[in-house]
Amino acid sequence: QVQLVQSGAEVKKPGSSVKVSCKASGGTFSSYAISWVRQAPGQGLEWMGGIIPIFNTTYYAQNFQGRVTITADKSASTVYMELSSLRSEDTAVYYCARDRGAFDIWGQGTLVTVSS
Amino acid sequence: DIQMTQSPSSLSASVGDRVTITCQASQDIRKYLNWYQKKPGKPPKVLIYDASILETGVPSRFSGSGSGTEFTFTISSLQPEDIATYYCQQYGGVPRGVTFGPGTKVDIK
Repeated sequence: QVQLVQSGAEVKKPGSSVKVSCKASGGTFSSYAISWVRQAPGQGLEWMGGIIPIFNTTYYAQNFQGRVTITADKSASTVYMELSSLRSEDTAVYYCARDRGAFDIWGQGTLVTVSS
Repeated sequence: DIQMTQSPSSLSASVGDRVTITCQASQDIRKYLNWYQKKPGKPPKVLIYDASILETGVPSRFSGSGSGTEFTFTISSLQPEDIATYYCQQYGGVPRGVTFGPGTKVDIK
């Protein structure tokens, strides 16, 4: 069964960038899409975008166009999400999830704190 | 972009009660609608996919129905472990797009 393991918590300054990784183990990596979802403190779930590693096709939510970049390293079974021009409102837990339409397997979450 | 609304935003019910949450899409999404349970400190868990199909391993007290723009999620007999926030999610947009509803917080009375 596929498991998704994310990189550790990050503290970033406003205006900087953060890159979070999501490594798949225990299954075929490239068969499914991987999406990224975040949850800010006290807020709901927000989809950011995703990638189909086998085709290297990416798709992004309108709200994050131009600020988020999702990439995949098939040889390392790892997907990356980079968010730039960070502001305090980007403080959130970021999740990767296997995307088969439904998000059925999730990473453990990565807390990104943006603070001066 | 497709917008999702949910109601109510929160509810309080007794153990054993039937609980119903509705979700409305701003345009026809056929059956491209999923339901998730989110507990603090844990990732979301998919309960229902494609509007009405129970995810493997999920208790049968959870169910979903609907198509087009109107969807319903039901817990037939609320249990203490069901305390959580529930989200609907559509994935019917073209190009590929996903939207979550604002969530419904479920508490025990």
